[in-house]
Amino acid sequence: GENVEQHPSTLSVQEGDSAVIKCTYSDSASNYFPWYKQELGKRPQLIIDIRSNVGEKKDQRIAVTLNKTAKHFSLHITETQPEDSAVYFCAASMNTGGFKTIFGAGTRLFVKA
Amino acid sequence: DGGITQSPKYLFRKEGQNVTLSCEQNLNHDAMYWYRQDPGQGLRLIYYSQIVNDFQKGDIAEGYSVSREKKESFPLTVTSAQKNPTAFYLCASSIGGVRETQYFGPGTRLLVL
Repeated sequence: GENVEQHPSTLSVQEGDSAVIKCTYSDSASNYFPWYKQELGKRPQLIIDIRSNVGEKKDQRIAVTLNKTAKHFSLHITETQPEDSAVYFCAASMNTGGFKTIFGAGTRLFVKA
Repeated sequence: DGGITQSPKYLFRKEGQNVTLSCEQNLNHDAMYWYRQDPGQGLRLIYYSQIVNDFQKGDIAEGYSVSREKKESFPLTVTSAQKNPTAFYLCASSIGGVRETQYFGPGTRLLVL
């Protein structure tokens, strides 16, 4: 069935360094790829998303890239700050006559000051 | 995200008991969703509803039931048939359709006594 794999499961970086989280999906019908940030004990919140007709999108220190041929997409955070520490989830969504959003297992990011 | 609420924050269930989790939104969103989050795993879809009086099963619907009598409300009942209900339950809503951003509620943590 449909699947989204996310790597790494844990990532530790020094403040100011970059962080990269990668996801691969299995269903080629996927056409919407959101990223959510979940701080400890809080709800997931959308930080950036990309649609299948775009290869890259950037919002300040956050960027997402999409390679539809290889079926993978990545989150890039530059100049990391301690407040970036959280769990990040990728997801792949499709609308093929029925609802389907599959989430990755999450990446716990630690930014060390 | 402030427009979607869940209650209670914590819920305790006894063996054989049905419990109901509340989800309310004032965002005028058509679509609503219920997810289950277990440690180290992503979000798994339990049920979703695209319009009032209509809902569909997600990937892990067994042992759960929902209703959608009003646009702003989407309660989830965890029945006694759900043998492992301990988890963090998240409700979400979107304007409509899977390609729209989902806004999450603060979650309900369900524990079994």
